[in-house]
Amino acid sequence: DTAVSQTPKYLVTQMGNDKSIKCEQNLGHDTMYWYKQDSKKFLKIMFSYNNKELIINETVPNRFSPKSPDKAHLNLHINSLELGDSAVYFCASSRPPDTLQETQYFGPGTRLLVL
Amino acid sequence: DQQVKQNSPSLSVQEGRISILNCDYTNSMFDYFLWYKKYPAEGPTFLISISSIKDKNEDGRFTVFLNKSAKHLSLHIVPSQPGDSAVYFCAARVDSNYQLIWGAGTKLIIKP
Repeated sequence: DTAVSQTPKYLVTQMGNDKSIKCEQNLGHDTMYWYKQDSKKFLKIMFSYNNKELIINETVPNRFSPKSPDKAHLNLHINSLELGDSAVYFCASSRPPDTLQETQYFGPGTRLLVL
Repeated sequence: DQQVKQNSPSLSVQEGRISILNCDYTNSMFDYFLWYKKYPAEGPTFLISISSIKDKNEDGRFTVFLNKSAKHLSLHIVPSQPGDSAVYFCAARVDSNYQLIWGAGTKLIIKP
């Protein structure tokens, strides 16, 4: 059973398009995250939701909009895609950070290439 | 400004020997540290963690050491196995904060 799943795994699209990446977790976690891994391989937090409420919103362009229809899902919608959006996007989930031994569980990543 | 630094982009170790991966941090408020392992085309997976109240945590072949005065932690893998070849990320967190701060990763190559 996949704990954190993302679709699609690969996404190739033209500049200016709008696309969505879906994430689902079956771990019963309350907290979900979106990360971007850039060309230098740094993992940078973009958003975090706890119980469907936005708790982290780092400095990302407002073309990026997360949507959490329920605790098990956190989707990422990107408007007007730009070349610089090309990266690997990871979804993750966890229990609240005050939980002992809290760790984040990651999905396999979505490789986005904007042409 | 990188608060978590992994200064070695890559490390090559003979199978059976000890692998030592290093991580330095600048924020003295960090109180929980984690190591993640990542294979190509997969997401990072949790490996081992340590709270700032400890200086060592061991799990099988993996041991993490924390030196708070030096703001340094290290991951020891003994003995190293071919399946350990991966990228290892160090991450840190301030108490009860949802946000993990990540290092850039170190690519470990285990030579047969």
